[in-house]
Amino acid sequence: QKEVEQNSGPLSVPEGAIASLNCTYSDRGSQSFFWYRQYSGKSPELIMSIYSNGDKEDGRFTAQLNKASQYVSLLIRDSQPSDSATYLCAVNPEAGNMLTFGGGTRLMVKP
Amino acid sequence: GAGVSQSPSNKVTEKGKDVELRCDPISGHTALYWYRQSLGQGLEFLIYFQGNSAPDKSGLPSDRFSAERTGGSVSTLTIQRTQQEDSAVYLCASSFRTNTEAFFGQGTRLTVV
Repeated sequence: QKEVEQNSGPLSVPEGAIASLNCTYSDRGSQSFFWYRQYSGKSPELIMSIYSNGDKEDGRFTAQLNKASQYVSLLIRDSQPSDSATYLCAVNPEAGNMLTFGGGTRLMVKP
Repeated sequence: GAGVSQSPSNKVTEKGKDVELRCDPISGHTALYWYRQSLGQGLEFLIYFQGNSAPDKSGLPSDRFSAERTGGSVSTLTIQRTQQEDSAVYLCASSFRTNTEAFFGQGTRLTVV
């Protein structure tokens, strides 16, 4: 079992809809959780970080963390074609404390 | 500079040659990561440095790969006797400490011909 799992997609949503991206992790002691966006041919860009249970909102983005169920999600409201990218979930597991990435979910927002 | 800097941006090398890739992390960042990303694929972890601790080399694919970090700052990834399968984008990231956000450089695109 991989430490951080994501559905590879592609996840296709119409413009203006809510895109929901999910990530599960195996280390129950994980402390820090991050979402990165990677456009084709570019390096990953940090868009959200979350450290405690609940929701964290930043503009059109909301990160949700549920440590009991070991999942973290990213909601993108009013999706735009410019949001089309691969979204990477990253987790700092307690053991080793090294940042671990999921395989990424490819999001396509259709006009 | 304010961000993670990698050089060169692009490198074309002949099969069998050695290459060195450089990463200059954000000032004050103690953690530094190297990843490799082949076309259309996810991030492949290579090596992790944290402060003065021994690096985690568990991701290095073969003994042709090595990395060092001098003075807790600049890191160099060396690939000896390059092979065509080494062609990829090599990404470096740094973070202030282990549990904080990591920021990526723009990457080095390595092409082995």
